[in-house]
Amino acid sequence: GESVGLHLPTLSVQEGDNSIINCAYSNSASDYFIWYKQESGKGPQFIIDIRSNMDKRQGQRVTVLLNKTVKHLSLQIAATQPGDSAVYFCAENKSAGGTSYGKLTFGQGTILTVHP
Amino acid sequence: EAQVTQNPRYLITVTGKKLTVTCSQNMNHEYMSWYRQDPGLGLRQIYYSMNVEVTDKGDVPEGYKVSRKEKRNFPLILESPSPNQTSLYFCASSLGGNSPLHFGNGTRLTVT
Repeated sequence: GESVGLHLPTLSVQEGDNSIINCAYSNSASDYFIWYKQESGKGPQFIIDIRSNMDKRQGQRVTVLLNKTVKHLSLQIAATQPGDSAVYFCAENKSAGGTSYGKLTFGQGTILTVHP
Repeated sequence: EAQVTQNPRYLITVTGKKLTVTCSQNMNHEYMSWYRQDPGLGLRQIYYSMNVEVTDKGDVPEGYKVSRKEKRNFPLILESPSPNQTSLYFCASSLGGNSPLHFGNGTRLTVT
């Protein structure tokens, strides 16, 4: 079936470095993508989203890149801080068709560890 | 503060004893959903609701019920819990369509 996956299950970086978390998706009909951050004991927290008519979107210290040709999504975190340590999930949504309305498919997650 | 509130945060129960996990959102969102999160399986959707009195099955609905009598509330009901329903449960809401889901902080359920 269609799925969202991640290349790297863990990523360790030094404080101040830039982090890149990758995600491959298989549903070419997906038109909306989200990155979430999940800290221990908490629910997933929205970071940034991107629609399929864009290839790049920037937020505060984060950038999401979308490459539809190879069905690849990445999250870049600039000047990574210890507080960024968490599990990061990508998610995709195929909005065409009523049954997929708001139904996100989540990847397994990447554990990001930031060392001081 | 805009939030999704789940209760309880932790629950230990025995097989067959009916339980309800409550979920409430204060953002006037039409769309609400329940997920369970299990190691190695990620987040899987149980049920969702597009509006009051409109609910539908997600990917893993067996053993669960939901209701949506009011816009803000979306309780998850386990009529006869079993050990394979031991999991971390999340309620979420959104405006619907291509808009982000906002999650609660989770309910850790253990069924013995």
